[in-house]
Amino acid sequence: QVQLQESGPGLVKPSETLSLTCAVSGFSISSVSGYYWGWIRQPPGKGLEWIGSLYHSGRTPYNPSLKSRVTISMDTSRNQLSLTLNSVTAADTAVYYCASLTYYDSSEFPKYFHHWGQGTLVTVSS
Amino acid sequence: FMLTQPHSVSESPGKTVTISCTRSSGSIVSTYVQWYQQRPGSAPTTVIYENSLRLSGVPGRFSGSIDRSSNSASLIISGLKTEDDADYYCQSFDSNNLVVFGGGTKLTVL
Repeated sequence: QVQLQESGPGLVKPSETLSLTCAVSGFSISSVSGYYWGWIRQPPGKGLEWIGSLYHSGRTPYNPSLKSRVTISMDTSRNQLSLTLNSVTAADTAVYYCASLTYYDSSEFPKYFHHWGQGTLVTVSS
Repeated sequence: FMLTQPHSVSESPGKTVTISCTRSSGSIVSTYVQWYQQRPGSAPTTVIYENSLRLSGVPGRFSGSIDRSSNSASLIISGLKTEDDADYYCQSFDSNNLVVFGGGTKLTVL
């Protein structure tokens, strides 16, 4: 059973960098089959916003509204994903989720988010 | 493109409710639609994928459909239970594999 657990500082100052990790258990993220990975966030009281995804090929499609500030990567030695968001403002305050993303073997096109972490709240405030 | 959902819907236990998700541009059938349920205080879970397929473990009371005429997808929940009280989000992909979420619909079962 794939399980995901986000972690990171709960408070980040404006203009600084937000860094989160997502520990994956029950599956090796270095596997070239099975899942892609993604990050999604949810501001308090609002809806889901996709941040970006990470494919086996290393391709990282990002939300255009965040693309200039976001980096998603993986650390295979620790079996975890990472999210970095630069120059944060109060608008980046949200619960951040990591998720596994299934895909079509024939085309490698993404299919749906399958497993979700419980989420971690990050508040941007001085 | 955007996916537009009603802000809220409400219905009584035992009844059937339909939540719509309208695509603003491009055909609703050009890429599949997924549906996610988010109960209060919890992470989202996947309910429907590829327009109408239920993830393993999802009750048969949940179904999905596509309407080309209105360029929309729908999540239909029959035999409503109080445990269905949650937010529901539709989601699709654009031609560049970018993820698009709908704004979410709050379902109240009262």
